Amino acid sequence: DAGVIQSPRHEVTEMGQEVTLRCKPISGHDYLFWYRQTMMRGLELLIYFNNNVPIDDSGMPEDRFSAKMPNASFSTLKIQPSEPRDSAVYFCASSLSAGGGYNEQFFGPGTRLTVL
Amino acid sequence: GNSVTQMEGPVTLSEEAFLTINCTYTATGYPSLFWYVQYPGEGLQLLLKATKADDKGSNKGFEATYRKETTSFHLEKGSVQVSDSAVYFCALRHSGTYKYIFGTGTRLKVLA
Repeated sequence: DAGVIQSPRHEVTEMGQEVTLRCKPISGHDYLFWYRQTMMRGLELLIYFNNNVPIDDSGMPEDRFSAKMPNASFSTLKIQPSEPRDSAVYFCASSLSAGGGYNEQFFGPGTRLTVL
Repeated sequence: GNSVTQMEGPVTLSEEAFLTINCTYTATGYPSLFWYVQYPGEGLQLLLKATKADDKGSNKGFEATYRKETTSFHLEKGSVQVSDSAVYFCALRHSGTYKYIFGTGTRLKVLA
């Protein structure tokens, strides 16, 4: 398996523009997580999905952020309008709930977003 | 609420030195505990885990023991290598949820 795939790897945009980050989870995984990583705040969980349904979006900073998962193999995180304080590395992770165990989360390589 | 506290970094060591990165947690019940590692430019990857009290997780020479009495899960390695330079995250997952709570991360630098 190719692992969790994120695109783009780097995004530079100007304040006010719409930004869309994309994620393809590992095939067969039923949980998908979006995280944001900054020096100041560390790793923050933004939202997570189970079987394409949002379960907990309490970490989404404000209405400018939205996430969708239209099917089991694709999710997007959208910021509209973007602001300089949104600059961060955004990670997508997926995990499998079935079979008990500890539900390891597998992380993608991240998207480094810079908002000028 | 549930939380994880890690020692502040960076931790700078010479090659072959002994490593300890402290991690303590606050949680009700019996969470599972994890150490994840993030190498430069990459996402996090699982290093080791422990799912119940007194369990010892180990991988690649790293070890951590789930200590319920001290609510700790300290990461140790007897002899670090330059290739161990990375950021290490302690995390917990409470039973009944698939949501992880991560610590702030500790950067390790190993000098040759």
